Amino acid sequence: QVQLQESGPGLVKPSETLSLTCAVSGYSISSGYYWGWIRQPPGKGLEWIGSIYHSGSTYYNPSLKSRVTISVDTSKNQFSLKLSSVTAADTAVYYCARSRGQVPTPFGYWGQGTLVTVSS
Amino acid sequence: SYVLTQPPSVSVAPGKTARITCGGNNIGSKSVHWYQQKPGQAPVLVIYYDSDRPSGIPERFSGSNSGNTATLTISRVEAGDEADYYCQVWDSSSDGGVFGTGTKVTVL
Repeated sequence: QVQLQESGPGLVKPSETLSLTCAVSGYSISSGYYWGWIRQPPGKGLEWIGSIYHSGSTYYNPSLKSRVTISVDTSKNQFSLKLSSVTAADTAVYYCARSRGQVPTPFGYWGQGTLVTVSS
Repeated sequence: SYVLTQPPSVSVAPGKTARITCGGNNIGSKSVHWYQQKPGQAPVLVIYYDSDRPSGIPERFSGSNSGNTATLTISRVEAGDEADYYCQVWDSSSDGGVFGTGTKVTVL
């Protein structure tokens, strides 16, 4: 059974870089599938941030593209999100997820999510 | 960018049928996926590729997609179906994922 677990600071200062990691168990990232990040501001809807293939090719949300980097570390079986120049608008629960098939979506497996607050 | 519009809320009595719409320009030409999210939990995929159900999802959940509207139908609604529901597509023009605005289903 594939399991995903997000980790990282729960509090980030404005203008700094948000960094999160998603540890994957029960499946080897290097074997395939797309691995994505989705966020949800408190009380609001879901927003796709971006996805990465096991080979390293990426897709990013155009509205966030200039600030987002997603990378994969197959040796640690994990993938990461970096979001630069954060503001209060980036406060959200951040989810990592795996695609159901060999295309970016839908997402068939999700982590439990981690709340990141942007505040000084 | 591609926009998916859902009604903010749908109310339904137990045992009745709930229909949740997802509107988008020529959405019938895209594959639509649906997620259920209960409070404090991660989303769960309930319908993919318009009408397929993952294993473990009750047959009461079904989907359709045509023209400018995709629909998630929940038959014989139960109290446990109360949740937020989101549609989602992959927009090939921007090479990105897009989620709908979300619909809160309330079981009366």
